[in-house]
Amino acid sequence: SYELTQPPSVSVSPGQTARITCSGDALPKQYAYWYQQKPGQAPVLVIYKDSERPSGIPERVSGSSSGTTVTLSISGVQAEDEADYYCQSADSSGTVVFGGGTKLTVL
Amino acid sequence: EVQLVESGGGLVKPGGSLRLSCAASEFTFSYYTMNWVRQAPGKGLEWVSSISSSSSFIYYADSVKGRFTISRDNGKNALYLQMNSLRAEDTAVYYCAREHCTNGVCYPAMDVWGKGTTVTVSS
Repeated sequence: SYELTQPPSVSVSPGQTARITCSGDALPKQYAYWYQQKPGQAPVLVIYKDSERPSGIPERVSGSSSGTTVTLSISGVQAEDEADYYCQSADSSGTVVFGGGTKLTVL
Repeated sequence: EVQLVESGGGLVKPGGSLRLSCAASEFTFSYYTMNWVRQAPGKGLEWVSSISSSSSFIYYADSVKGRFTISRDNGKNALYLQMNSLRAEDTAVYYCAREHCTNGVCYPAMDVWGKGTTVTVSS
């Protein structure tokens, strides 16, 4: 199986844009998915198929892909966006893999 | 409301066994691939296992292969995880999660999660 690499932490001031990256060799061939997890809660899917938003996710949350790196962007960051964010993908053998997670801190 | 509710967690000694259950409601359970995902205390998410809608395709993480068995009963809208030969490193919150399907296409992502059940392996 392969690995997905995320930065452990990202900090941003309110109103700015937060960008969280996720790198993996298989990402040019496989879609990436993103989850938000707040303390004591289950994860929430915020991006699927690299850049699509599930219903109920605000437009200020977006995803993009370039080569072996995918990026989750949150514009107009608010205090409520402070959480852990995980990227996820799956290989052709059916194995699912998560990145190590990134803690987003709103300063 | 679409819901997943896990049960069966608890304290077990190393080498012991435990069976987790996940009850699904308010969606067509038999249509979806289902997953178990765990999270050790203070750590990230770790995928454990997946089972396709008809149980034809089953996958495991290397860390649990040969010790854990995933199964489902579509008639009872239930997902299971039989865990044997438990180790301290299996201590985690175990989540049941549904595959994400939209516009007739399904993706290996998870859009509905339970609240989790806690498994503690300790002597």
